[in-house]
Amino acid sequence: GAVVSQHPSRVICKSGTSVKIECRSLDFQATTMFWYRQFPKQSLMLMATSNEGSKATYEQGVEKDKFLINHASLTLSTLTVTSAHPEDSSFYICSARDPDRDVSNEQFFGPGTRLTVL
Amino acid sequence: GNSVTQMEGPVTLSEEAFLTINCTYTATGYPSLFWYVQYPGEGLQLLLKATKADDKGSNKGFEATYRKETTSFHLEKGSVQVSDSAVYFCALSGPGGYQKVTFGTGTKLQVIP
Repeated sequence: GAVVSQHPSRVICKSGTSVKIECRSLDFQATTMFWYRQFPKQSLMLMATSNEGSKATYEQGVEKDKFLINHASLTLSTLTVTSAHPEDSSFYICSARDPDRDVSNEQFFGPGTRLTVL
Repeated sequence: GNSVTQMEGPVTLSEEAFLTINCTYTATGYPSLFWYVQYPGEGLQLLLKATKADDKGSNKGFEATYRKETTSFHLEKGSVQVSDSAVYFCALSGPGGYQKVTFGTGTKLQVIP
């Protein structure tokens, strides 16, 4: 149980276009999901906390108008990178917590999406 | 705020060698502690966790003990295999509610035959 999927796994786009990444909890309901960004050989940087039915909470320094997050259902959160540029190229990972599972705040991670902006 | 410090890599070991990756943390209260593993090109997988002082998390031969007195959660394995080659992240999450996870910088482990 507690499986999180992401789609697509890889995407290549031209500079100036927008890209949508989906994060789904497959066998549990997640009222909160998290979006991370990982640069090569670096740790994960939390970008935002996605809350079902309300606005996302962005970390300091993350442009909310550039990285649009929508959490329209208990099993789906989307991250849209608007007007992507080469510096947005990165590995984007989402995670979710299963509130019915335990209280340790363990998060279940998706497999990640490799975004390359040409 | 919360922070996690883990030893820098890369760590290169021969197969069947003993592994230790040090991790210390700073947090208020009693956080939950985690080790995650990331294989090349993949997302993170939970390796083990501990939720209170003196708890020992274990999985696949890896162990880590929650040491409140030294604020540490060192990862150990008695005999590593080539398949253990990956990046290991120490992490913590504050107690209660939908708390953020704070990650260490990651330690790359390379096991050579």
